[in-house]
Amino acid sequence: EVQLVESGGGLVQPGGSLRLSCAASGFTFSSYWMSWVRQAPGKGLEWVANIKQDGSEKYYVDSVKGRFTISRDNAKNSLYLQMNSLRAEDTAVYYCAIQKTVTLFDYWGQGTLVTVSS
Amino acid sequence: EIVLTQSPGTLSLSPGERATLSCRASQSVSSSYLAWYQQKPGQAPRLLIYGASSRATGIPDRFSGSGSGTDFTLTISRLEPEDFAVYYCQQYGSSPEYTFGQGTKLEIK
Repeated sequence: EVQLVESGGGLVQPGGSLRLSCAASGFTFSSYWMSWVRQAPGKGLEWVANIKQDGSEKYYVDSVKGRFTISRDNAKNSLYLQMNSLRAEDTAVYYCAIQKTVTLFDYWGQGTLVTVSS
Repeated sequence: EIVLTQSPGTLSLSPGERATLSCRASQSVSSSYLAWYQQKPGQAPRLLIYGASSRATGIPDRFSGSGSGTDFTLTISRLEPEDFAVYYCQQYGSSPEYTFGQGTKLEIK
């Protein structure tokens, strides 16, 4: 059974940092692109970043470029999102998602809530 | 950037009825790159349709997708109680670029 379990969310002050993790199981993690997608409270979905199978390609939405870094450890079946210089508008539930094809999001974890507030 | 506009914002129907949800793109989208997701309260989104008209694994055949160019439709032929949720369309563009519609809430009338 495919499982994606996000962790690392919490309350952080504006300008602070947070590192999200996503533990994957039930599939060959190293075979797929992986993404982070977020959802602000009561709002729609926004793709944040994704990373190729071997980590050689990484892409970001413009609003997080230079502040967020996506990475993965295939030996640990884990995906990460390092978030720096956090802003109030980064407040959201962050989901990790499998991309069996690079064009869509096949399976999503349950998400972790990040709240940026003083 | 391609903008996806979903309509209606909220759709009120009864179980057993047919639901038709629309997704309109600001410019032409390849059908291969158009997907639909379902999200229930407090849950993660679930992939329903990919390639505009192909059902994802385990999705009942009462769900169907159609359309091309700038106009796409998700149809639920006969609503079951578990179908009441929010539905999002999503497109993929080069760069890469992933955009979602703002969602249609399907509620029980």
